Formats: sequence, structure tokens, C-alpha cells
Amino acid sequence: GDSVTQMEGPVTLSEEAFLTINCTYTATGYPSLFWYVQYPGEGLQLLLKATKADDKGSNKGFEATYRKETTSFHLEKGSVQVSDSAVYFCVLRDGQGGKLIFGQGTELSVKP
Amino acid sequence: DAGVTQSPTHLIKTRGQQVTLRCSPISGHKSVSWYQQVLGQGPQFIFQYYEKEERGRGNFPDRFSARQFPNYSSELNVNALLLGDSALYLCASSFRTGEPFEQYFGPGTRLTVT
Repeated sequence: GDSVTQMEGPVTLSEEAFLTINCTYTATGYPSLFWYVQYPGEGLQLLLKATKADDKGSNKGFEATYRKETTSFHLEKGSVQVSDSAVYFCVLRDGQGGKLIFGQGTELSVKP
Repeated sequence: DAGVTQSPTHLIKTRGQQVTLRCSPISGHKSVSWYQQVLGQGPQFIFQYYEKEERGRGNFPDRFSARQFPNYSSELNVNALLLGDSALYLCASSFRTGEPFEQYFGPGTRLTVT
């Protein structure tokens, strides 16, 4: 079945460092891909999305490009802030019914 | 506008008991999905409902059931609770199922089974 594998955490960075969180997927068909973020004490929020190959999703300085040839959707940010500390989930949407399939999450901690 | 609301926020149950969790979608949204998030893991899909009909079911035992009401709110029921059912239960709503309709998540219900 469809699945998502993402880089294990926790990841600890200094403020203004470059961030990459790797994500690869296995799917039949042409799924949509997402990054969701879960800030401490808050609910899941959609960070960005891409619905087809070579699409780039972006939001709040974060970017991810849908790479069909490598089945990847890596999350990047050029300069992280303390406020980016959260758990990040790479997510695939099932093409038929629309259910979401989550990776295991990567906890990011940014130190001042 | 109010987001997705869930009740209760927390609850503690004993093994073997039954529990009902409730979800109210965003106004105008007709689809509700339920997910289970065990500590340290990503959410796992349990059910999806649209217009009161079940549209999808994840790999969960028959102890888990759900329904959607005419006002599009939803309940998730879990019977014969096991310790392993301890988790954060998330409800998500969307206008419809599938693309391009985004799922919006509620804050979750934290269930502890002792």
C-alpha cells in the first residue's frame, strides 16, 4: 500500500541554520503531497502542498518540490527561527478517497 | 469562524470500557475523517465520512465504529478498550473528499486507558 518515510528526528539546529527534512513516498497513481506541522500544544496545520510532479509548494519560507523521478518531497528552509520548533509530518493523500497517509514525524528544535 | 471542535479534551477510561468521542466540523464542511495518533508517531487513518456515508475505513478492528449525523457532526466509538488504544484522536473536516479540498484538523481528544 501507499506509504511515507521521513527522516528520523529529533533534529536540533541553531537559529539561522539551513534546514532539510527528507521525505520519500511509495504510491500507486499520482498522489498529492503535503507537509503538516504540529506546534507544541497546538493542532495539526497544513504548511504547504503540491499536487503534481515538479510542483513546488511554499509557505512561511519553507519549500518542497514534488519529485516523481525520485519519489521525494524534501522540506527545506534557508534560515530557521526558534519559532519553527515543532514536529513536521510529510503526508500523502490517497488518490481515490482522499485519506491522508502520514510519515512518522520529525521533531525540530531550534536553539537561539 | 470556528474551527473543528472536539470533545472531550481529555478522558481516562479503564480497560474493557467503551468510549464515545465527538467532532463538530467547520460550518459548511460535509466530510469528516478520524485519525489515531499514538505518542511519537504520525496519525493513522481510521474512518472517513461524507454526507453521512462511510467513504473509507483504515486498518482498525471492529471495536472501532463511527457515524455522521445530518448536521455533519460525527462520533467515534471504541468498545472493549485496550491499553494500546491510548492515543490522541484527531478529527479533520473538509468541504468534500479528495482534491482539491484541504482537511482541517481539530485539537484532538487525548484518551488514556488504564
